Amino acid sequence: AQSVAQPEDQVNVAEGNPLTVKCTYSVSGNPYLFWYVQYPNRGLQFLLKYITGDNLVKGSYGFEAEFNKSQTSFHLKKPSALVSDSALYFCAVRDRSKAAGNKLTFGGGTRVLVKP
Amino acid sequence: DAGITQSPRHKVTETGTPVTLRCHQTENHRYMYWYRQDPGHGLRLIHYSYGVKDTDKGEVSDGYSVSRSKTEDFLLTLESATSSQTSVYFCAISEGLAETQYFGPGTRLLVL
Repeated sequence: AQSVAQPEDQVNVAEGNPLTVKCTYSVSGNPYLFWYVQYPNRGLQFLLKYITGDNLVKGSYGFEAEFNKSQTSFHLKKPSALVSDSALYFCAVRDRSKAAGNKLTFGGGTRVLVKP
Repeated sequence: DAGITQSPRHKVTETGTPVTLRCHQTENHRYMYWYRQDPGHGLRLIHYSYGVKDTDKGEVSDGYSVSRSKTEDFLLTLESATSSQTSVYFCAISEGLAETQYFGPGTRLLVL
């Protein structure tokens, strides 16, 4: 079975400082990995994904994430956080094997609070 | 949220009543999904569809049924709503198995 862990319920960071949101995963095969962001009373918005190739993935709004196979991690990063980055962030994984179907498994979410 | 609408956006109902939520897409994507979002659980897959009249169960399918008679519409039915089904429900779509899922704006359901 596939699973995702986001070990921090909340991350607090000052505006202008680097932001990191942690994610580790478990799949039996190779993973597809995703990050989504959710603003209050909105649906999830896609930020970026890792499918194959370069381990460093760049996405929307200046976010990037690094795939680390040995550590089974896919941490989300932003060099300089903005107050407008305050939101709920979700990591998700899908096992590439056909037997796993097309089921995306989400982590519990990490709330990011960027203070001015 | 572009291309995906959900109705109703908010609903209050009583225990034991049937409830149907609708997801409508204008993207002509093959795959459609229903998730529920609860604090501490992230999003959990209820059911999904891989084509008209083709559906499969997710991890939390008990108490829910779905139907897809047209490419653009995916209905989620709670046959007899319970308080444990109070949640926010999201519809998502994707073009293919490996493609990104895009989410609708959500439906907030309260079962009293």
